[in-house]
Amino acid sequence: DAGITQSPRHKVTETGTPVTLRCHQTENHRYMYWYRQDPGHGLRLIHYSYGVKDTDKGEVSDGYSVSRSKTEDFLLTLESATSSQTSVYFCATARDTGAFFGQGTRLTVV
Amino acid sequence: DQQVKQNSPSLSVQEGRISILNCDYTNSMFDYFLWYKKYPAEGPTFLISISSIKDKNEDGRFTVFLNKSAKHLSLHIVPSQPGDSAVYFCAGHIIQGAQKLVFGQGTRLTINP
Repeated sequence: DAGITQSPRHKVTETGTPVTLRCHQTENHRYMYWYRQDPGHGLRLIHYSYGVKDTDKGEVSDGYSVSRSKTEDFLLTLESATSSQTSVYFCATARDTGAFFGQGTRLTVV
Repeated sequence: DQQVKQNSPSLSVQEGRISILNCDYTNSMFDYFLWYKKYPAEGPTFLISISSIKDKNEDGRFTVFLNKSAKHLSLHIVPSQPGDSAVYFCAGHIIQGAQKLVFGQGTRLTINP
């Protein structure tokens, strides 16, 4: 499972506050991703990274930013959390044989 | 633009019978197609994949079929077991460039005893 650790695993935050989710991998995979999972939508790509300091937007990137200062860490930031960002967030790494996921972070914005 | 679609939100199958999960795609650039299985409160785990140049891949009870002309793939599980109850996602994978995976909406499979 590529040694992917997400933190925190659960978080409740208030509308308008900033939130940062962390993804840490131990396999030195070049590619890292943040997805969100919502009922009826499956897994939707928020942002991805193809190397240190190299990131790009996915299909649902509005309201999110990312940073990758080291190969092993990929951070997802909600600058000002909204209720629509209540979701389960998954980090993943990929190589040419597929992607490997962390256990997810359940975020609730109240 | 839903590049990968799973049109059945749920499927219920009797234990011991065959489960068939379906997936359609629109992007002909996918190099691989993958199936993931997800239990509640866990991340998706890789199940089986198929190269876009193949039409079948088998691994134990799991077989994936790819029909490129119809842009359709299916996952067959036989015989189905109670532990197979989970949400199944299909995904298209482009291995060039950013190696993005595009997922379908998922199908919840329930195996009844």
